[in-house]
Amino acid sequence: QKEVEQNSGPLSVPEGAIASLNCTYSDRGSQSFFWYRQYSGKSPELIMSIYSNGDKEDGRFTAQLNKASQYVSLLIRDSQPSDSATYLCAVVVSGGYNKLIFGAGTRLAVHP
Amino acid sequence: DGGITQSPKYLFRKEGQNVTLSCEQNLNHDAMYWYRQDPGQGLRLIYYSQIVNDFQKGDIAEGYSVSREKKESFPLTVTSAQKNPTAFYLCASSPQIGTGQSTEAFFGQGTRLTVV
Repeated sequence: QKEVEQNSGPLSVPEGAIASLNCTYSDRGSQSFFWYRQYSGKSPELIMSIYSNGDKEDGRFTAQLNKASQYVSLLIRDSQPSDSATYLCAVVVSGGYNKLIFGAGTRLAVHP
Repeated sequence: DGGITQSPKYLFRKEGQNVTLSCEQNLNHDAMYWYRQDPGQGLRLIYYSQIVNDFQKGDIAEGYSVSREKKESFPLTVTSAQKNPTAFYLCASSPQIGTGQSTEAFFGQGTRLTVV
């Protein structure tokens, strides 16, 4: 089982709709979770971090964390064509040395 | 300007050569990481370091080496033992690698390595 799993997509949504991106992780001890956006040919940029169960909102983005289900999601409201990118879920995996592990990413396409 | 600087942006390597990718940060972060990304794939962890003079292997360390002699610098050497080195290499740093706040990682612009 992979440490961090995402549906590779592509997820296609119309402009103005809500895009929902999902991520599951295997380490029950994980406490830190992140969403990054990566445009083609560019490096990832951090868009959300979440550490506690529940929702965290920042502008059009909402991150949701459920540690019991080992599930973290990202909602993008009022999706715009400029949101078209790959979204990477990242988790700090606990152990002798904590390490930051990424999922394979979900490609989002927002069409006008 | 605070940030993470990777150089060069593009690098070409002949088969059998070692090459070193530079990563420098002036964010005063303790933790630094190297990832590899292949086309259409996610990021795979090569090496990471939580503190100066200490580093750990990630999931794909074979054929790579690193050093962490200074807090701000974490160079990656791609050795001739790495059989398929053509990829996009990303360096990142964070205040720490912990469980909780102050663990957000930020990336440099990346180095594209091509074997010719």
